[in-house]
Amino acid sequence: AQSVTQPDIHITVSEGASLELRCNYSYGATPYLFWYVQSPGQGLQLLLKYFSGDTLVQGITGFEAEFKRSQSSFNRRKPSVHWSDAAEYFCAVGTRGQGGKLIFGQGTELSVKP
Amino acid sequence: GAGVSQTPSNKVTEKGKYVELRCDPISGHTALYWYRQSLGQGPEFLIYFQGTGAADDSGLPNDRFFAVRPEGSVSTLKIQRTERGDSAVYLCASSALAPGELFFGEGSRLTVL
Repeated sequence: AQSVTQPDIHITVSEGASLELRCNYSYGATPYLFWYVQSPGQGLQLLLKYFSGDTLVQGITGFEAEFKRSQSSFNRRKPSVHWSDAAEYFCAVGTRGQGGKLIFGQGTELSVKP
Repeated sequence: GAGVSQTPSNKVTEKGKYVELRCDPISGHTALYWYRQSLGQGPEFLIYFQGTGAADDSGLPNDRFFAVRPEGSVSTLKIQRTERGDSAVYLCASSALAPGELFFGEGSRLTVL
């Protein structure tokens, strides 16, 4: 069955520390991979996407994500976390031909300590 | 409008009642999606429209759920004979670009008492 697993439900890090958000997927076809963020009172927003090509994807807020086919993973990393990064993050997988039909993980809530 | 608009933002109803949730997508977006998000979970796909037609309704949980998009723009999700298990945030998204680049609304929170 197709699924997305985010093993960490809640992560707390200190401001300035490094961070990795984990995402593993099980998908029969070649996947498209996404990271979305959800902040209170706001809708889900797309942060990163991987369709093909370079397996390291850079975001605009200092985050990057790496697709590893051998590990069925699309982990997201940041070398130095800022207090404004606190939010809930969702990994999602889709495939060509299925439009925007995505399977989401259950999310990782990130808290940042001053 | 500038973004995806969903109304109402909150809806409280009694078990057995009928509910309609409305979504106004970004102007020009041909694809529209409905997802449902329960507490502590990620969004779960319900239905996808390309234009006026439902391209994929495989996520609708049962025949109490129905969605329309008669003119290819605004969509309405309709839930008949609501049950307490229908309580969730119903998210609408639209897209015009590559698959998966969805723009989400803030959602309609449905509470069934």
